[in-house]
Amino acid sequence: ETGVTQTPRHLVMGMTNKKSLKCEQHLGHNAMYWYKQSAKKPLELMFVYNFKEQTENNSVPSRFSPECPNSSHLFLHLHTLQPEDSALYLCASSQSAARESGNGELFFGEGSRLTVL
Amino acid sequence: AQTVTQSQPEMSVQEAETVTLSCTYDTSESDYYLFWYKQPPSRQMILVIRQEAYKQQNATENRFSVNFQKAAKSFSLKISDSQLGDAAMYFCAYRSEYGGSQGNLIFGKGTKLSVKP
Repeated sequence: ETGVTQTPRHLVMGMTNKKSLKCEQHLGHNAMYWYKQSAKKPLELMFVYNFKEQTENNSVPSRFSPECPNSSHLFLHLHTLQPEDSALYLCASSQSAARESGNGELFFGEGSRLTVL
Repeated sequence: AQTVTQSQPEMSVQEAETVTLSCTYDTSESDYYLFWYKQPPSRQMILVIRQEAYKQQNATENRFSVNFQKAAKSFSLKISDSQLGDAAMYFCAYRSEYGGSQGNLIFGKGTKLSVKP
């Protein structure tokens, strides 16, 4: 069983649909993250949750809505997306989001490949 | 703002040979962390090696080692005795010692490494 599990692995949706991406970590970590990985662009940090509280939102459009019901689960709710939102969405976790905690290693899921038609 | 540049979009190496992946970064800070992450096809991104800027000694993890040149702001990854399983995208990443969470990594665009049998 992998440490960080993302579902679904692939998702195709229309611009008017509402869907959600799910992430679950089995590592006992307290911080979880959403990243966007687009072709030929660096990974972009979207949201940070530390002990279930959102601590960072990197100017992400409101059509992306994160939810963190507990330290083990993270969701990304999607609605009225645009074709340019098509990308690989990666979830990651770490012991804590605090800079001074741990060695800085992030544990990633395999990603959810999103295609917006 | 900090930037990370990986000037080699693709690299190729013969099995059992050695290959070096380049990474340069731009920062005005003196304390920071540098990472190399590996992303195999359809697999999770994993940490390969990390380097604290205050340490002069280059980090080493088995067949993986770095050449950290702080003054030149260079952080290359050397893979010795290359194996087929080393084929992947390799991302160089920077994290500031000041401000932001552990997930606040600045990634390069990546280098795709192919290993020829």
